[in-house]
Amino acid sequence: GESVGLHLPTLSVQEGDNSIINCAYSNSASDYFIWYKQESGKGPQFIIDIRSNMDKRQGQRVTVLLNKTVKHLSLQIAATQPGDSAVYFCAENLFSGGYNKLIFGAGTRLAVHP
Amino acid sequence: EAQVTQNPRYLITVTGKKLTVTCSQNMNHEYMSWYRQDPGLGLRQIYYSMNVEVTDKGDVPEGYKVSRKEKRNFPLILESPSPNQTSLYFCASMGWVPNTGELFFGEGSRLTVL
Repeated sequence: GESVGLHLPTLSVQEGDNSIINCAYSNSASDYFIWYKQESGKGPQFIIDIRSNMDKRQGQRVTVLLNKTVKHLSLQIAATQPGDSAVYFCAENLFSGGYNKLIFGAGTRLAVHP
Repeated sequence: EAQVTQNPRYLITVTGKKLTVTCSQNMNHEYMSWYRQDPGLGLRQIYYSMNVEVTDKGDVPEGYKVSRKEKRNFPLILESPSPNQTSLYFCASMGWVPNTGELFFGEGSRLTVL
């Protein structure tokens, strides 16, 4: 929700530009990395995931890059639109003991200006 | 429509007055989980359930209880709420475990404890 976004780092972009949102993760053993989008007043929504043995994955207007050497994850949004304004969370997913352990980052707020 | 439904969406209560936040999913998911979201801290897991009658503590379980008597329902119980439990709460479900990490979230329940 909006109150969650007030304390977060903000990326401001012009409509039509490309956006890059970055995330550092902590566990080298994580199996998947995921990006979620949270619009104001709503729950997080899955965008895209990437397996740990990949370094790039593309979706519709989004690309996720994984750099395991420096434990860095990024989400690139092409031709950013006003509807992309939201808080974006990265999460790392570790399979352990037969279940999924997801650890979420604090989030980045994306503000798209006309 | 596939969804996770939480109630109530907003609640103001007083210290010590027991309350329950309900969560229901219509996707026949085995895995369900509760998270709390606080400014700058991202999503932190409270409890999760791998299946009916199976529940486990997450990262911040103190002051909360859960139950999983039916597959579709996973209520969150605050026996004696305190002001530090003022937060935004999300219920989520996952289709199968292990999974890439695609959680389906409810719309959130904003709780204020005075």
